[in-house]
Amino acid sequence: QKEVEQDPGPLSVPEGAIVSLNCTYSNSAFQYFMWYRQYSRKGPELLMYTYSSGNKEDGRFTAQVDKSSKYISLFIRDSQPSDSATYLCAMSKGAQKLVFGQGTRLTINP
Amino acid sequence: DAGVIQSPRHEVTEMGQEVTLRCKPISGHDYLFWYRQTMMRGLELLIYFNNNVPIDDSGMPEDRFSAKMPNASFSTLKIQPSEPRDSAVYFCASSFHDGEGYGYTFGSGTRLTVV
Repeated sequence: QKEVEQDPGPLSVPEGAIVSLNCTYSNSAFQYFMWYRQYSRKGPELLMYTYSSGNKEDGRFTAQVDKSSKYISLFIRDSQPSDSATYLCAMSKGAQKLVFGQGTRLTINP
Repeated sequence: DAGVIQSPRHEVTEMGQEVTLRCKPISGHDYLFWYRQTMMRGLELLIYFNNNVPIDDSGMPEDRFSAKMPNASFSTLKIQPSEPRDSAVYFCASSFHDGEGYGYTFGSGTRLTVV
């Protein structure tokens, strides 16, 4: 079993929809949780990060961490075609060693 | 800042040849990581350095792979001899310890094809 599980999709939604992306993990020692966005033929870029449990909001993006369930989510409101990318969750125990999910390929249709 | 710079962007080589990938991290970042990305396995950490010292190389697949960081502004990942199964996108990333999170900055990657 992988330490971090993420549905690879693909996920296709109409423009303006709310998108929900999720990851589960098995290692209870993870403390830092991140979401990266990766456009085709580019490197991943940090979108959001949170420490421990709770919610964090940044514009149209909201990250949620539920450590009791070992479950993290990323919500995208008012989705735009420019949000079409692969979204990767990542987490670490704080020792600078990130473990990534497989990535979910998302397409927003105009 | 120009970000993390990797070269070459693309590399096509024949099986058995030596391949050297290069990375220049962001100035001031004290951690450097090498990742490999494939469709099947996603992003896999190969090795990472702190202050130019290798900390964890447990992800290096076998002795054919080696990495060095001779100074704070340069790192190499070498594959010798290369094999077709090494075909992947190799990313370098750097980061700093800001106390609140460990966000990495990735380079644009080197797409390696071994034929």
